[in-house]
Amino acid sequence: GQQLNQSPQSMFIQEGEDVSMNCTSSSIFNTWLWYKQDPGEGPVLLIALYKAGELTSNGRLTAQFGITRKDSFLNISASIPSDVGIYFCAGPYTGANSKLTFGKGITLSVRP
Amino acid sequence: DAGITQSPRYKITETGRQVTLMCHQTWSHSYMFWYRQDLGHGLRLIYYSAAADITDKGEVPDGYVVSRSKTENFPLTLESATRSQTSVYFCASTLARSGTGTYEQYFGPGTRLTVT
Repeated sequence: GQQLNQSPQSMFIQEGEDVSMNCTSSSIFNTWLWYKQDPGEGPVLLIALYKAGELTSNGRLTAQFGITRKDSFLNISASIPSDVGIYFCAGPYTGANSKLTFGKGITLSVRP
Repeated sequence: DAGITQSPRYKITETGRQVTLMCHQTWSHSYMFWYRQDLGHGLRLIYYSAAADITDKGEVPDGYVVSRSKTENFPLTLESATRSQTSVYFCASTLARSGTGTYEQYFGPGTRLTVT
C-alpha cells in the first residue's frame, strides 16, 4: 500500500534555529498535507500543497511539494518553544476521494 | 460552538463493556473519519463515512461499529471493549467538493480511552 516515510522519529533543536523535515513516498501523490499535533490535542492542518513544485508559507512555516511528486518538505524558521509537537505529513489514497494516509510523524523538541 | 467536537474526552471502561464515542461537526462536511493513534503506529483509519447512511471500513475496523443517521454526527461504538483498544481516538471531517479531490481533514480534540 501507499506509505509515507518520515525520519528521524525525533528532532531536538535550540530555540531560534531553523529546522527542516521531509516526507517521502515510493508512490506519486497529487496532494501533500502537513499537520501539527500539540500534546493532548488533535492534529491541526498547517499547510496544504496541490501542485508539484509549489512553495507555500504560513508564518514561519514553509512547505514545498517536490518536483518528483514523491516527496514534500516542511521548514520552520527561527523556532520558538511553542513549535514543540508532532509533525505529520499526509497524502490521499490512490483512487479514494478524501481518505488520507499519514506518516508516523516527527516529534520536535525545542530547547530554550 | 462551531467546529468538530468529541465526547467524552476521557473514558475508562472495563473489558467486555460496550462504549460509544461521540463526534459532532457543525460545518456540514460530507466526509467523516475515525482514527486511532497509538505509539509506533501513528494514525490509523478505523471507519469513514462519505455521507449520512454511507459508511465503509478503514484499515483497522475489527471490534468497532459506526453509524451515521445525521450528517453532523458520527458515533463510534466498541461493542465489547478489549485492552488492545486502549488508545486515543480522533474524529475528523472533510468538505467534499464535486469534481475535485478534497483532502483537507479537520480533527477533533480526541478521546483518550482506557480499557482495564
